[in-house]
Amino acid sequence: GENVEQHPSTLSVQEGDSAVIKCTYSDSASNYFPWYKQELGKGPQLIIDIRSNVGEKKDQRIAVTLNKTAKHFSLHITETQPEDSAVYFCAASPGAYNTDKLIFGTGTRLQVFP
Amino acid sequence: DVKVTQSSRYLVKRTGEKVFLECVQDMDHENMFWYRQDPGLGLRLIYFSYDVKMKEKGDIPEGYSVSREKKERFSLILESASTNQTSMYLCATIGQGRNEQFFGPGTRLTVL
Repeated sequence: GENVEQHPSTLSVQEGDSAVIKCTYSDSASNYFPWYKQELGKGPQLIIDIRSNVGEKKDQRIAVTLNKTAKHFSLHITETQPEDSAVYFCAASPGAYNTDKLIFGTGTRLQVFP
Repeated sequence: DVKVTQSSRYLVKRTGEKVFLECVQDMDHENMFWYRQDPGLGLRLIYFSYDVKMKEKGDIPEGYSVSREKKERFSLILESASTNQTSMYLCATIGQGRNEQFFGPGTRLTVL
């Protein structure tokens, strides 16, 4: 079945710097890759997603890139702010026709220092 | 806005007790999920349901069961709680054919 690996497990950056989190997946049939942000005391919330027919997607300060050949995708956060501090999870859909069920990565704790 | 509520934020139980975790969503979504979250292991799927009275095992169903008698409510049951079930439990829901899973705030369960 699908396996998703996520790195790094922790990431500390200075406010204003960029942060990059990387994930790899094993199932070449996966075609949907969301990123979730979990703030302290809350459930994860979708922040951006990408489908396999697109190589990059941006939404203000966040962007996701996908390399289907290498089976990896990354989250890029530019001009980081203290409110970006959270745990981030990548995920992949385990099969081309089922985007309801997701396999999640192990999470990255991002700390942005003022 | 979708609202997913979980019956308790914190729960402490004893080994061997039967534990019920309740999840309710108000958006008429067909699909509901139960995950557990552990440090270094991410979110792991326990069970999911695509319709009332329908359930399917996820990746780690051992020691758990579920119940979905009504569309809006999905319950996770620990028949005989054990210390290795101490964890954060998250419920999620998604509409049919949609992409975004909406999560509840989580229940932190401690089994002593």
